Amino acid sequence: EVQLLESGGGLVQPGGSLRLSCAASGFTFSSYAMSWVRQAPGKGLEWVSAISGSGGSTYYADSVKGRFTISRDNSKNTLYLQMNSLRAEDTAVYYCAKSPRDPAAPGAFDIWGQGTMVTVSS
Amino acid sequence: VIWMTQSPSLLSASTGDRVTISCRMSQGISSYLAWYQQKPGKAPELLIYAASTLQSGVPSRFSGSGSGTDFTLTISCLQSEDFATYYCQQYYSFPWTFGQGTKVEIK
Repeated sequence: EVQLLESGGGLVQPGGSLRLSCAASGFTFSSYAMSWVRQAPGKGLEWVSAISGSGGSTYYADSVKGRFTISRDNSKNTLYLQMNSLRAEDTAVYYCAKSPRDPAAPGAFDIWGQGTMVTVSS
Repeated sequence: VIWMTQSPSLLSASTGDRVTISCRMSQGISSYLAWYQQKPGKAPELLIYAASTLQSGVPSRFSGSGSGTDFTLTISCLQSEDFATYYCQQYYSFPWTFGQGTKVEIK
C-alpha cells in the first residue's frame, strides 16, 4: 500500500526552528517528485515547496523562501522540511504529497500524508 | 504568480443535483490543472488532473473541462458523500497555486 507518514510537528516559539519528516512506503520513492503543502486553521491549501526525485531541483513559495529548506534521503525513503525563523503565520497542518510520473500531471498530488500540525506561538 | 479565482465559495445543493464549480486563471495554463476534494479533518484527495482526466478510482459522476484560463468541475448527480470542500490547483508554473476553495453543503 502506498503511504506517506509525516512527523515532527509541534509547538515552537516565534523565531524558532523545526524539522518535519515524511516517511514513504509502497512505491519507488526516488522516482517521484515530492512536495509540502500546508493549511492554516480554517483556511485553504497553500503549496510550500517541491523537490525532484533525485533531489537536484528544489522550488519554494515566496512566503517561505530563505527560511525553509526541502530535502530528501532516497536511501531512507524520507522527505524533510527544515523550517527556520518561524512566524505565527506559519501555523498550519503540513502535508507531504507525492506527484505522479504522468507527464500530464507533474505538479498534481496523487498521494497525501495525514498531516502534522505546526503551531508557532509564544 | 498565477492568480486563481474559484467560484462560488459556498454552494448549497441537494442530493441528486448537478453542480458546477468554476476556476479562472490570471493567465493561460494550457491544461495543467487539478481538482481535489477535502473532507473535514482529512487530507485532500485528487479527483482530476490535466483538466479533464479522471484519477483512478474516482466515480464517473465527476468530470472536468476547460483549457487556457477557464476551467470547470462538474458533479453530475450529487451524492451524500460528495458534500465537502473542493479546490482547483495549477501546476503550469511555480509557484504552484490553489484556488480559495468551494464548500458544497446540504441545502
